[in-house]
Amino acid sequence: LAKTTQPISMDSYEGQEVNITCSHNNIATNDYITWYQQFPSQGPRFIIQGYKTKVTNEVASLFIPADRKSSTLSLPRVSLSDTAVYYCLVGDYNQGGKLIFGQGTELSVKP
Amino acid sequence: NAGVTQTPKFQVLKTGQSMTLQCAQDMNHEYMSWYRQDPGMGLRLIHYSVGAGITDQGEVPNGYNVSRSTTEDFPLRLLSAAPSQTSVYFCASRLTGGFTEAFFGQGTRLTVV
Repeated sequence: LAKTTQPISMDSYEGQEVNITCSHNNIATNDYITWYQQFPSQGPRFIIQGYKTKVTNEVASLFIPADRKSSTLSLPRVSLSDTAVYYCLVGDYNQGGKLIFGQGTELSVKP
Repeated sequence: NAGVTQTPKFQVLKTGQSMTLQCAQDMNHEYMSWYRQDPGMGLRLIHYSVGAGITDQGEVPNGYNVSRSTTEDFPLRLLSAAPSQTSVYFCASRLTGGFTEAFFGQGTRLTVV
């Protein structure tokens, strides 16, 4: 499983765009990149998943460069309710692979 | 459609006691797993299963047992509780092929005194 590295914490203000970068230098050919969000006292929630280039849904965008050694989760115009821990996971989930969580990035959105 | 249901939500055990944390899902997911999360930490994988009758160890399996007799249920047993097992436990399930979004339960907060 590819190891991931993320910033431990980030601060932002309401209305700003937040970009959280994840490094995964040893990503394998069949690996996908997946991001989860966790609010206090709740289980993680799937946000977005991608393999290459850009993926966008109603919650976030995921940017993956051609070498796939990193990825960036982009949250547009954050609000106070986006305060949470964000986890980047990398793995070949189509093969029933294990979901291994790292430390995550604690995002704090201030008014 | 309840998703992933964990019981109980809270539990206090004395050192040495045993108990079973229940996890059930109604989405016909093959893959189920158990995590523990200590304060200020990420989730650590305890055990996982890719289908009925198949289980395997995760990152921190010691002190825990699992079995998977049905697709729906994946109980986690603490054999002899220790204070170091005080944590929040999360169960998750997902399909093993194709789109692989994992669904998590609301967690069980366990305190061992």
